[in-house]
Amino acid sequence: DADVTQTPRNRITKTGKRIMLECSQTKGHDRMYWYRQDPGLGLRLIYYSFDVKDINKGEISDGYSVSRQAQAKFSLSLESAIPNQTALYFCATSDPRTGNNEQFFGPGTRLTVL
Amino acid sequence: DQQVKQNSPSLSVQEGRISILNCDYTNSMFDYFLWYKKYPAEGPTFLISISSIKDKNEDGRFTVFLNKSAKHLSLHIVPSQPGDSAVYFCAASAPGGTSYGKLTFGQGTILTVHP
Repeated sequence: DADVTQTPRNRITKTGKRIMLECSQTKGHDRMYWYRQDPGLGLRLIYYSFDVKDINKGEISDGYSVSRQAQAKFSLSLESAIPNQTALYFCATSDPRTGNNEQFFGPGTRLTVL
Repeated sequence: DQQVKQNSPSLSVQEGRISILNCDYTNSMFDYFLWYKKYPAEGPTFLISISSIKDKNEDGRFTVFLNKSAKHLSLHIVPSQPGDSAVYFCAASAPGGTSYGKLTFGQGTILTVHP
């Protein structure tokens, strides 16, 4: 079983719709992250959470919100989707006790906004 | 402001030869560097890392070199295999405060290894 899972894997939606991407992990990590990948831009951090009560904006948080429902769950919402939010979205987790900053990624959600 | 840059969008190499992927950074606070590998339809997976107190780290066919004065690191794959064909991302992190645990990624380099 995958340690970090994302649902849905693919989603096509229309401009103005609200959409939620979900991430679950069984690794027991406190830290969770949301990234988007765009061609030529690499992975950019949207939001991150270092524990259940902690939510922080990343470099491109405008137009997004998150919810950390439990240690294992971290959801990303687009309140009103727009076409330039079409991208590949990744959730990741990490354990600060390892001391190496390694993050573990889910398989990704491909989102298309028409 | 792109703090981590991979200036080569793609690299093509013959099987058995060396692949060298490059990465430059601008933030002198970065003290830990990682390379991730990504296959299509999968998430990135950790490959190898290096701390700023070292200038080289090896793991099998993969070696990462760090030149702090030039703010440059490189990943060497020897010998290259067709299964190494993937997108490679360089990432960096800074110590302490609000930066701790956050990674800044480069744009990625698509490596193609031809049989």
